[in-house]
Amino acid sequence: GESVGLHLPTLSVQEGDNSIINCAYSNSASDYFIWYKQESGKGPQFIIDIRSNMDKRQGQRVTVLLNKTVKHLSLQIAATQPGDSAVYFCAEILIQGAQKLVFGQGTRLTINP
Amino acid sequence: GAVVSQHPSRVICKSGTSVKIECRSLDFQATTMFWYRQFPKKSLMLMATSNEGSKATYEQGVEKDKFLINHASLTLSTLTVTSAHPEDSSFYICSARLTRGNTEAFFGQGTRLTVV
Repeated sequence: GESVGLHLPTLSVQEGDNSIINCAYSNSASDYFIWYKQESGKGPQFIIDIRSNMDKRQGQRVTVLLNKTVKHLSLQIAATQPGDSAVYFCAEILIQGAQKLVFGQGTRLTINP
Repeated sequence: GAVVSQHPSRVICKSGTSVKIECRSLDFQATTMFWYRQFPKKSLMLMATSNEGSKATYEQGVEKDKFLINHASLTLSTLTVTSAHPEDSSFYICSARLTRGNTEAFFGQGTRLTVV
C-alpha cells in the first residue's frame, strides 16, 4: 500500500544551525501532512501541519514546505537547540473515510553542542 | 492543548497472561481513538481505530482476537493484549482527535509492554 517515507534516518547538526528534515510521500490524495516530534519513551508531539493546497507554512522556529510535484515534504528548524534532539516523523491523513494518520519512517535529529 | 493519558506507562507480564492498557482523553470527548504499535527505532504502525459505542476497525494483519479494543465511553478506550507472548513486547501508543476533520492528534505517553 501507499506509505510515507523519509530520505535520511539520522541527521546531526550543530547547535544554533538550521536543520532540514525531508520526507517523501506516495499518496497524492492525502489532504494534510503533519510533522511530529517524538522524544525517547514518549508519545509523538504535534509540531506543524500543512494542507495539500498549500506549499509553505511557518510556525515558531519551524517551517514546513510541500512540493506536490515531486511528492516531497520538509521540515526546517531554525537555530536548533539541544531540546530539538528527537525523532521526527512526517505523517499524512486523508480526510475522507476513517481519517487515519499514517506515519513515515522517522529521522533522528541530534544537536551537537 | 488537549491531554490524552495512557496507563500504565510500563508493564511487565508473564507469557500467557493478558494485559489491559487504558487511554483516556482528560479534557475533551473523543468519539474516535487510534491505537499504534512501535518497535524500537521504527515508526508508529496503526493497529486499529477505536470507535465509541461500536466495534473497532482493525488494520490488515492485526489480530482482533489478540488485541481486544473497547471504547465504552467518549473518554476511554482500552486495548487488551490477550495471551501475551514475548513477540508482543512493544511500545503501544494511543491517540485521539478533538473532532472529525481536525488534523491535530493528541497522543498518550505510551505503554512499554514487556512479556517475559
